[in-house]
Amino acid sequence: GQNIDQPTEMTATEGAIVQINCTYQTSGFNGLFWYQQHAGEAPTFLSYNVLDGLEEKGRFSSFLSRSKGYSYLLLKELQMKDSASYLCAVGPNDYKLSFGAGTTVTVRA
Amino acid sequence: ETGVTQTPRHLVMGMTNKKSLKCEQHLGHNAMYWYKQSAKKPLELMFVYSLEERVENNSVPSRFSPECPNSSHLFLHLHTLQPEDSALYLCASSQDYRGQETQYFGPGTRLLVL
Repeated sequence: GQNIDQPTEMTATEGAIVQINCTYQTSGFNGLFWYQQHAGEAPTFLSYNVLDGLEEKGRFSSFLSRSKGYSYLLLKELQMKDSASYLCAVGPNDYKLSFGAGTTVTVRA
Repeated sequence: ETGVTQTPRHLVMGMTNKKSLKCEQHLGHNAMYWYKQSAKKPLELMFVYSLEERVENNSVPSRFSPECPNSSHLFLHLHTLQPEDSALYLCASSQDYRGQETQYFGPGTRLLVL
């Protein structure tokens, strides 16, 4: 089976940095995705990592270590609009994605 | 134009009702997906279609019946549902179903079964 673990909730202050960790154990690996989902809305694509290392995209960065089965999503200069659920998803093979339960981030003023 | 649309956004139905969920994608993609999202649980893949052919049926009860008349439209027909089927049903699409293509999601249908 596939096992994707991420923290349930995190709280941070506006302007701060938050790091959301994701660990995975899957039967194969074909890439790791991060999605953002605001309450009542569609999950939206944030990042995709298939090679080890850090991918930076504006205020958001995603890191992958395949040997450790570990990824993190780094949110910098937090804004109130960043309050959302962040979903880690691993593609074990082809089209199938195994999702974590999501991390709810609350940004406080 | 919104990439993936779903209707209705909210649905309340009794256990004896029959209803259908509709999904439409405007991205020119070849693959479409149905997911179930329950509170505090991971997204569960239900069905996958590629060019109107079903390529995955993830052990979903027969009270859920998908239909894909063309590559832009996907339906989920519901009948004799149970209260535990109450959840957010998300549709997604990707360019192809082979390889790790990014999936784009619709806003979902919030379903409540009474």
